[in-house]
Amino acid sequence: DTGVSQDPRHKITKRGQNVTFRCDPISEHNRLYWYRQTLGQGPEFLTYFQNEAQLEKSRLLSDRFSAERPKGSFSTLEIQRTEQGDSAMYLCASRGGPSTEAFFGQGTRLTVV
Amino acid sequence: AQSVTQLDSQVPVFEEAPVELRCNYSSSVSVYLFWYVQYPNQGLQLLLKYLSGSTLVKGINGFEAEFNKSQTSFHLRKPSVHISDTAEYFCAVSDQRGGSEKLVFGKGTKLTVNP
Repeated sequence: DTGVSQDPRHKITKRGQNVTFRCDPISEHNRLYWYRQTLGQGPEFLTYFQNEAQLEKSRLLSDRFSAERPKGSFSTLEIQRTEQGDSAMYLCASRGGPSTEAFFGQGTRLTVV
Repeated sequence: AQSVTQLDSQVPVFEEAPVELRCNYSSSVSVYLFWYVQYPNQGLQLLLKYLSGSTLVKGINGFEAEFNKSQTSFHLRKPSVHISDTAEYFCAVSDQRGGSEKLVFGKGTKLTVNP
């Protein structure tokens, strides 16, 4: 297992377009998290899955954002009608339990022009 | 709800000098505590974690941190830094009870090690 994979690494899109990011967690991890990180800030929690169930969503996750983890394995994060304020690094992490280390992917850097 | 305050946004030091990166947290419940490091354009990598037991925790790359419950602090230290330690460091907490399993991060401290 090579760790948490995120695809794509970089995405440039025009304002108003939809984008989708993919995260492949470490295979034995049932917990998967999405975070957003802007320049000079720490990662901000977006949402969390345990297996295929989405157990928590941040208020940061507006109606334009949706995340899925259909079979409890990989996850997708979709942003509809992108805005310039959505430009950020989107990080995915997985872990095996609440006291264990969260392993992070290298992130997807989104630029909305 | 938990929150994390990293008291210094930037810390410049000279190579081989000691360093301390400060972290204070606020929580109404017991928490797990973590320090992560982020190199440019990379994800986060765990340096060390405090779950329970000894309040002095040793991590990778010669880093250690001390949990102080009364002061709600978890400061990160290294006795002698290297140029390669230049990176951004994030302190994080999560709820021990497991009710909300998200990690809550501070805003980060950018450590710059100068020759």
